[in-house]
Amino acid sequence: GAVVSQHPSWVICKSGTSVKIECRSLDFQATTMFWYRQFPKQSLMLMATSNEGSKATYEQGVEKDKFLINHASLTLSTLTVTSAHPEDSSFYICSAGGGASEQYFGPGTRLTVT
Amino acid sequence: RKEVEQDPGPFNVPEGATVAFNCTYSNSASQSFFWYRQDCRKEPKLLMSVYSSGNEDGRFTAQLNRASQYISLLIRDSKLSDSATYLCVARQNNNDMRFGAGTRLTVKP
Repeated sequence: GAVVSQHPSWVICKSGTSVKIECRSLDFQATTMFWYRQFPKQSLMLMATSNEGSKATYEQGVEKDKFLINHASLTLSTLTVTSAHPEDSSFYICSAGGGASEQYFGPGTRLTVT
Repeated sequence: RKEVEQDPGPFNVPEGATVAFNCTYSNSASQSFFWYRQDCRKEPKLLMSVYSSGNEDGRFTAQLNRASQYISLLIRDSKLSDSATYLCVARQNNNDMRFGAGTRLTVKP
């Protein structure tokens, strides 16, 4: 089946620094990718929809200037958490697919901000 | 009110038991429905789609009641490997998926 990869799988950073997370579709082209965040024992929450060649669409309450999304090619979307704070510590998951087909999720990136 | 609500559990059952999970969704415009399985610290993986006519995949049976906006998942003859969190998902259009918080299942020997 389709494969979506994420890098890094986990990262620890200091408060105030920025972290970039990559999401790649390995064997298909994805004009749209999705970024989710999941806190412990909570649901996946959609943060934004990443559109190739255009601006991302952010969900209500998600700061677009803090969570920068770049979808520069049909196989790569990046999420940059700028000026990270401890409350940004979470499990970040991307997905790709859509249309009538299922969504394929990346393995997730666990971010810890100290 | 959350868009998709599930009983969080946990459900602790012995091997071989039958267990049922329920889910309700609030957006009547939701068009398609799924059950995903998520293991600890891993990404969700599609378990099965849910159709109005009901559908079965081996030991797993999913039901959808659009009038009641209710979705269910039945697992028969539980295995240890079924232990996971089960996520109910309602999709409004081709892109917008809303997840329930998940129901945690532990199957014990």
